[in-house]
Amino acid sequence: DQQVKQNSPSLSVQEGRISILNCDYTNSMFDYFLWYKKYPAEGPTFLISISSIKDKNEDGRFTVFLNKSAKHLSLHIVPSQPGDSAVYFCAARGSQGNLIFGKGTKLSVKP
Amino acid sequence: DAGVIQSPRHEVTEMGQEVTLRCKPISGHNSLFWYRQTMMRGLELLIYFNNNVPIDDSGMPEDRFSAKMPNASFSTLKIQPSEPRDSAVYFCASSFLGINQPQHFGDGTRLSIL
Repeated sequence: DQQVKQNSPSLSVQEGRISILNCDYTNSMFDYFLWYKKYPAEGPTFLISISSIKDKNEDGRFTVFLNKSAKHLSLHIVPSQPGDSAVYFCAARGSQGNLIFGKGTKLSVKP
Repeated sequence: DAGVIQSPRHEVTEMGQEVTLRCKPISGHNSLFWYRQTMMRGLELLIYFNNNVPIDDSGMPEDRFSAKMPNASFSTLKIQPSEPRDSAVYFCASSFLGINQPQHFGDGTRLSIL
């Protein structure tokens, strides 16, 4: 049973518009969440994270929102750029420091 | 700064052969993780070490898989004997042991077992 779910396998967005990637989790004990970006033939690259004591964290064009009551987080990218085209993974930290990943959402930003 | 270094980047071998994947974590990091990525299961944790000690190997699929971390700057993941269903991309990641520390990944080893 998946503890971290990314229900949209793909998303297509026009350059300059907002990209919103969603993630749901089942374990209310998760206290730290991360987003990773992955290009083909490379490893995942850490993008942004959020602790469960916050509901928003912003870093430049990237903002992560956390809704604990809904067990939902989202990553907003604005404005989207063609270089943002990649697979985005949501992850939650388990009780022993391990990461539990969603299956990813492939974002395509069209010029 | 050097990131996590994995070798080889690609490995093609015949079933039944022993396969050894290598990882050099980021200097100073004291947690190391091995993951496997497949189309069916996504990114799944195989095993991880804190201060060179294996903490949780429950993700290791079978006894054919073993991992070691003889020192803080080197780890291996071994498959013996290898089978076609082991074909996947294997990632190593490292981090500081501590609260709210992200893991940093290597570029992976693409393993193909014929």
